[in-house]
Amino acid sequence: AQSVTQLGSHVSVSEGALVLLRCNYSSSVPPYLFWYVQYPNQGLQLLLKYTSAATLVKGINGFEAEFKKSETSFHLTKPSAHMSDAAEYFCAVSSNSGYALNFGKGTSLLVTP
Amino acid sequence: EAGVAQSPRYKIIEKRQSVAFWCNPISGHATLYWYQQILGQGPKLLIQFQNNGVVDDSQLPKDRFSAERLKGVDSTLKIQPAKLEDSAVYLCASSLDGAADTQYFGPGTRLTVL
Repeated sequence: AQSVTQLGSHVSVSEGALVLLRCNYSSSVPPYLFWYVQYPNQGLQLLLKYTSAATLVKGINGFEAEFKKSETSFHLTKPSAHMSDAAEYFCAVSSNSGYALNFGKGTSLLVTP
Repeated sequence: EAGVAQSPRYKIIEKRQSVAFWCNPISGHATLYWYQQILGQGPKLLIQFQNNGVVDDSQLPKDRFSAERLKGVDSTLKIQPAKLEDSAVYLCASSLDGAADTQYFGPGTRLTVL
């Protein structure tokens, strides 16, 4: 089954610093990969997705991710963190059947002044 | 365009009681998903519908959970009887179709079982 592993349940960065959230996938076939963000008491919002086109994917709010097959990774980055980026971030992969998403456990991003 | 609607937003019940959640997907979206998100974890699929047919319910605890999607639009998820471990946020999502299509999530229903 396809799955993802998010390294680090909590990440803290200073405002203006680089944001790096790590995600590794396991898949026997080319995967579709997604990053979602969840603000408190809200549903999930798509940041970006990889669908086997360009390996560098640009998303909303200045985030981007690079698909690296050799490393089975899909890490999320943002050059300069804003206070408003503080949230829970989930990496996900499409499952084998029916296109439902298999999510990682999430990474909580804290941005300090 | 209206997003995915869910109700209620919050529900508190005693164990062994029953509860139902409602979801209205984005207009025209053929696929509807119910996910369970336990505190501190990522969402886990409970059931997926394609129009009004079930595509995947392999992780749905069928002895207590049921779901339906009449007429291929709205959906309800029911728990009867509820257990303490059912305390979670229940998220509904919809998509046009296909593996690469974006899933749009509703705000969720937070269930607390006492």
